[in-house]
Amino acid sequence: DGGITQSPKYLFRKEGQNVTLSCEQNLNHDAMYWYRQDPGQGLRLIYYSQIVNDFQKGDIAEGYSVSREKKESFPLTVTSAQKNPTAFYLCASSLHPGTGGEGTEAFFGQGTRLTVV
Amino acid sequence: KQEVTQIPAALSVPEGENLVLNCSFTDSAIYNLQWFRQDPGKGLTSLLLIQSSQREQTSGRLNASLDKSSGRSTLYIAASQPGDSATYLCAVILLWAAGNKLTFGGGTRVLVKP
Repeated sequence: DGGITQSPKYLFRKEGQNVTLSCEQNLNHDAMYWYRQDPGQGLRLIYYSQIVNDFQKGDIAEGYSVSREKKESFPLTVTSAQKNPTAFYLCASSLHPGTGGEGTEAFFGQGTRLTVV
Repeated sequence: KQEVTQIPAALSVPEGENLVLNCSFTDSAIYNLQWFRQDPGKGLTSLLLIQSSQREQTSGRLNASLDKSSGRSTLYIAASQPGDSATYLCAVILLWAAGNKLTFGGGTRVLVKP
C-alpha cells in the first residue's frame, strides 16, 4: 500500500534526552513536512523539505533537527533544547511543491505521540 | 501573516441533517485550499483540494466551495451519518520560493447523533 508511515506510534522521553521520530513515504513525493499538534493550538510547521539534502525551518523549529538523505525518509529529532516536547507529531508529504495544481495536495501519516516522563 | 479561522469550534447535529462547516482566511493571496478529516488520536485524511482557479470541488456527499475575494471556504456534507463524527480542518496552501506552506485553522469538531 502506498502511504506515509510514522513510527513509533507512542514515544516516551526522559528529561535531557534526544529522541528521533521516523517518517517514511513510498509515494515518490518530493516534499515532506513535520507538524506539531497541541490541544487548542492547531497544527504548526516545524520543518519542511522539498528535495533531498535540502530543508527549511518552519514556524517553530527551535529545539528540533531534521535530515533528508533519501527522498523517502525525513526523520525528526527532538533535542533536549526543546523545553516542551509533549505533543502529537505529524509527518506529511506532497508531490511537487511550487508547481501548483494537484501536486500541492498534502497527505499525512498516522502520527507519533511524544510524552516527556 | 495569514490567519485561518474555523467557526464554530464544535457542532452537534442529528443524523440525516446536512453539515455546513466554515473556514475563513485573512490573506486572499492563497494558492490552494485543502480540507481534512481527523479522527481522535489519528492522522489527517485528505478530503478535498480546491485549486485557486476553481470555485468548488465535489466528492460523493462532500462539496467544498472557495471564494478567495471574501476569504472564505465552506465544506458541505450532505445527509450526515454517525460515521461523519470527527474533527474537520481546513488549510490554506501558500506558494513560497522554497515550496509550499500549509496554514491550518483550529478545526471544527463534529458530532452526528443517531
